[in-house]
Amino acid sequence: KQEVTQIPAALSVPEGENLVLNCSFTDSAIYNLQWFRQDPGKGLTSLLLIQSSQREQTSGRLNASLDKSSGRSTLYIAASQPGDSATYLCAVSDYGQNFVFGPGTRLSVLP
Amino acid sequence: GAVVSQHPSRVICKSGTSVKIECRSLDFQATTMFWYRQFPKQSLMLMATSNEGSKATYEQGVEKDKFLINHASLTLSTLTVTSAHPEDSSFYICSARGPPLAGGGDEQFFGPGTRLTVL
Repeated sequence: KQEVTQIPAALSVPEGENLVLNCSFTDSAIYNLQWFRQDPGKGLTSLLLIQSSQREQTSGRLNASLDKSSGRSTLYIAASQPGDSATYLCAVSDYGQNFVFGPGTRLSVLP
Repeated sequence: GAVVSQHPSRVICKSGTSVKIECRSLDFQATTMFWYRQFPKQSLMLMATSNEGSKATYEQGVEKDKFLINHASLTLSTLTVTSAHPEDSSFYICSARGPPLAGGGDEQFFGPGTRLTVL
């Protein structure tokens, strides 16, 4: 059964810092991996989707990498801003397209 | 990207009543939709997979008679929480599989969620 973990559980950084969020999964037979942000009490905002054949995706200040063989993905956020404060979730989907979510990393960017 | 809507966004009901939540794909057809539940400070957990024109597939531990799923069209899936109780209070999110991507595979698009509070 697929299990997804995220490290750290919480992170607090001053504005302007670059930071890395980590995601690990136990079964490398994935279809794709997505990173989401979730604001308190709100739904999900999709940030980046990496297909199993890809190694990274970039969008603005965000860069996500995928190493299927080692079961890892990282989300890199450059020049963090207070507006980046949210919970970041990674989720992997299997070939049945069922998503398994990690527990999330709660990010606080201090002004 | 594709848009998925949910209605209502928030509902408060009395214990014992039934609540219906709608999930719609607005600009694409979705043969498969998923329903997730999120309790406070916990991650999302898949409840069931909804396939258009067939019975939903429920995850272990999810009562199919309590959480009724109907996927009657390619753009609409509904989740009905029957005889709701306070422990059913949660954040319910649906997602829909989008059109095939050029490089293969497809992407899921998530609705904004429905917050259910059962008194």
